[in-house]
Amino acid sequence: NAGVMQNPRHLVRRRGQEARLRCSPMKGHSHVYWYRQLPEEGLKFMVYLQKENIIDESGMPKERFSAEFPKEGPSILRIQQVVRGDSAAYFCASSPPARANEKLFFGSGTQLSVL
Amino acid sequence: GENVEQHPSTLSVQEGDSAVIKCTYSDSASNYFPWYKQELGKRPQLIIDIRSNVGEKKDQRIAVTLNKTAKHFSLHITETQPEDSAVYFCAAKNQGGKLIFGQGTELSVKP
Repeated sequence: NAGVMQNPRHLVRRRGQEARLRCSPMKGHSHVYWYRQLPEEGLKFMVYLQKENIIDESGMPKERFSAEFPKEGPSILRIQQVVRGDSAAYFCASSPPARANEKLFFGSGTQLSVL
Repeated sequence: GENVEQHPSTLSVQEGDSAVIKCTYSDSASNYFPWYKQELGKRPQLIIDIRSNVGEKKDQRIAVTLNKTAKHFSLHITETQPEDSAVYFCAAKNQGGKLIFGQGTELSVKP
């Protein structure tokens, strides 16, 4: 059973470009979470999704950020018109249906660098 | 608002000593408290968790205690080893079902 897969591991974008981060949850997991981590800081909740539904996006900036978890394929975190302040590690996690928001299994993260 | 405070931010111990990391939470309805270990450049990994109906849980050299009245919980690592060196994060699941993380503790175990 493969773990949570995130790609790319590293993403470099220039200011104003778009960043697309992908996350495939563990097999059998239907809950996906995105967290952002800045250096020497904790994990900041961004969004919680189930297949085709956004359950909680209270941690996501209202502008430029969006997330989806389609019926088929990985979950996507999309950042439009990136700025330097978006540089961070973005972690995706998944949990089994019976343990929503518990027993989170994290991916290896995507390190986004905005030049 | 929802908040999880974690202390200390850095902790250095000698190999074989014990390490204690403490967290407090603000939402009295929180009912689930996991601890994650993140080695440098790696993903956070769950090491132990506790529910609000339990006061203490132990797994080999790791234990977690919970004081619901005071709204704080602690991670205890005994007989520390160099491979315990990592950043440790506490978290609390709040009433809204969201997992809120503390700021992290960087533990260094010196041989």
